[in-house]
Amino acid sequence: GAGVSQSPRYKVAKRGQDVALRCDPISGHVSLFWYQQALGQGPEFLTYFQNEAQLDKSGLPSDRFFAERPEGSVSTLKIQRTQQEDSAVYLCASSTQDQETQYFGPGTRLLVL
Amino acid sequence: AQKITQTQPGMFVQEKEAVTLDCTYDTSDPSYGLFWYKQPSSGEMIFLIYQGSYDQQNATEGRYSLNFQKARKSANLVISASQLGDSAMYFCAMREGSGFQKLVFGTGTRLLVSP
Repeated sequence: GAGVSQSPRYKVAKRGQDVALRCDPISGHVSLFWYQQALGQGPEFLTYFQNEAQLDKSGLPSDRFFAERPEGSVSTLKIQRTQQEDSAVYLCASSTQDQETQYFGPGTRLLVL
Repeated sequence: AQKITQTQPGMFVQEKEAVTLDCTYDTSDPSYGLFWYKQPSSGEMIFLIYQGSYDQQNATEGRYSLNFQKARKSANLVISASQLGDSAMYFCAMREGSGFQKLVFGTGTRLLVSP
């Protein structure tokens, strides 16, 4: 079956520009996670949804970062007024109600110039 | 303190040989889960294997096995019969507590398999 998909795969933004990153989880997966992976590092947690409810947003680095999942399926991570330090790969993962394993998408590579 | 420590930035192995990638973890929660993911140059994180803290036996998935030593807080990944396609970054991760919790990742080990 189809895995987690993310779009765009690559995004180049000018400093100060707003960006929106999309995640389509595996169909039927209740839980959705966003992670940020800086170059040469492991992924770091940003936020977590269970259905449409955002249950944990403790990892969002600033109020410029906002995530939503209004219908409990597709999620969007929005970054306002992008800064160079926002350059990273943004990974989305989903999991079912019964399983612990998170399945990841291919990521969106964001470069802020 | 680091929750997940991977001390090997890079590892080399010859094709068909076995290799062990080290991972130690730090938690005071009795319930936790340990995961290994593979990240090829394409960027996708591919799930390999999972070990729960209460599991009595070491997890195995095909050529992958997890050497779980609870008292030492280590969860090393063993890849048997290495293949060229195994060349990638490998990340160890931990979930603390029960239910759906965030994963905490180590810094990864880059594995290079040579012919």
